[in-house]
Amino acid sequence: SQQGEEDPQALSIQEGENATMNCSYKTSINNLQWYRQNSGRGLVHLILIRSNEREKHSGRLRVTLDTSKKSSSLLITASRAADTASYFCATVSGGGNKLTFGTGTQLKVEL
Amino acid sequence: GAVVSQHPSWVICKSGTSVKIECRSLDFQATTMFWYRQFPKQSLMLMATSNEGSKATYEQGVEKDKFLINHASLTLSTLTVTSAHPEDSSFYICSVQTRDLIYNEQFFGPGTRLTVL
Repeated sequence: SQQGEEDPQALSIQEGENATMNCSYKTSINNLQWYRQNSGRGLVHLILIRSNEREKHSGRLRVTLDTSKKSSSLLITASRAADTASYFCATVSGGGNKLTFGTGTQLKVEL
Repeated sequence: GAVVSQHPSWVICKSGTSVKIECRSLDFQATTMFWYRQFPKQSLMLMATSNEGSKATYEQGVEKDKFLINHASLTLSTLTVTSAHPEDSSFYICSVQTRDLIYNEQFFGPGTRLTVL
């Protein structure tokens, strides 16, 4: 599988600070998606960026994609305690419809 | 987006018993559903793709006779863990896919935590 790598594995910041998570993958993709998972719960779709896009915004989220480096980053600005969760990137490749998830980043935002 | 439910949310069973987990798409007719397994502090690993009206497609290394999948309708898929053992203890999550296949967005259920004693 081409499971992506995410770094850092864990990130602890203070409320109000920005959080940046990185995702690297191995093969060419159709699109890359970011998901959030609260502890012991299902996943929530955050944002999707297509392979021909370089940057996308959604509220306090900013995603970049560099297909030449096979990497993406997720920036959460002005973080809140409620942002505490695990964040996963997932890629879709070829003609298929399957998601391949990265290893995830555990974000903790402290008051 | 689609609303997806799973039942039960958690289950504890004895080794050797079978457990059935349901995944329902509440407001969307899902021709495709996916089943994932997630071990503690790890990522999601795709187990199988469930297609309505046809046999599921299993990922390499997943025993199809152990993890039985039935996608009998456009709103329900079931995963049955047969003869469960402690190593099957995990968090099982299903997802449904939108018809917008260009983007392949998936909507996830809340998950089912299985503990096998």
